[in-house]
Amino acid sequence: QSVLTQPPSASGTPGQRVTISCSGSSSNIGSNTVNWYQQLPGTAPKLLIYSNNQRPSGVPDRFSGSKSGTSASLAISGLQSEDEADYYCAAWDDSLNHVFGTGTKVTVL
Amino acid sequence: EVQLVQSGAEVKKPGESLKISCKGSGYSFTSYWIGWVRQMPGKGLEWMGIIYPGDSDTRYSPSFQGQVTISADKSISTAYLQWSSLKASDTAMYYCARGSSTSPRSEVDVWGKGTTVTVSS
Repeated sequence: QSVLTQPPSASGTPGQRVTISCSGSSSNIGSNTVNWYQQLPGTAPKLLIYSNNQRPSGVPDRFSGSKSGTSASLAISGLQSEDEADYYCAAWDDSLNHVFGTGTKVTVL
Repeated sequence: EVQLVQSGAEVKKPGESLKISCKGSGYSFTSYWIGWVRQMPGKGLEWMGIIYPGDSDTRYSPSFQGQVTISADKSISTAYLQWSSLKASDTAMYYCARGSSTSPRSEVDVWGKGTTVTVSS
């Protein structure tokens, strides 16, 4: 069902910057805002970024989001070991309701 | 504190019915959309549908339309996800999550801890 495409994995050493892409279409990212969720192992997802680039209270400013056309990206700067998790983009699709990305597993080397 | 408390793990046989719950507290339950998300073992997140408890306006994702029923009882601040005839492929973790007060299109900001459903003969 995933109509938002993400790379399956990304990695970096502590302190590095990691970027995750999310590719969609005109019916989802192209016409609606993008949100990002972090899922630590064995836990429920957590809202990380909303409305393309807004951080909820308590989310470190190491996390940032951006959107251009039908694509979006999440950047993690100053990578830390506790950032090791699965990351999902999400958006409303005008035909399908909410849709999630395929998910990206971030590994801290 | 805004919380969504989900019902406990379930083990069922194929063909049985099931209703799991999600109780909201710490906010005006009738004023915020509540969504349901499936995560099959080792897989990604899948959006199932969303309900506005204030008037029970419900929107299903096409993949789940006709497969499940989403409902809410605003008198007890509880949303439900139910199946009339479970299949082994319904084995998954199910999360509820709070959406916006204004639109079903917005992000979900608070998640329940999830309910594990296992369907096996």
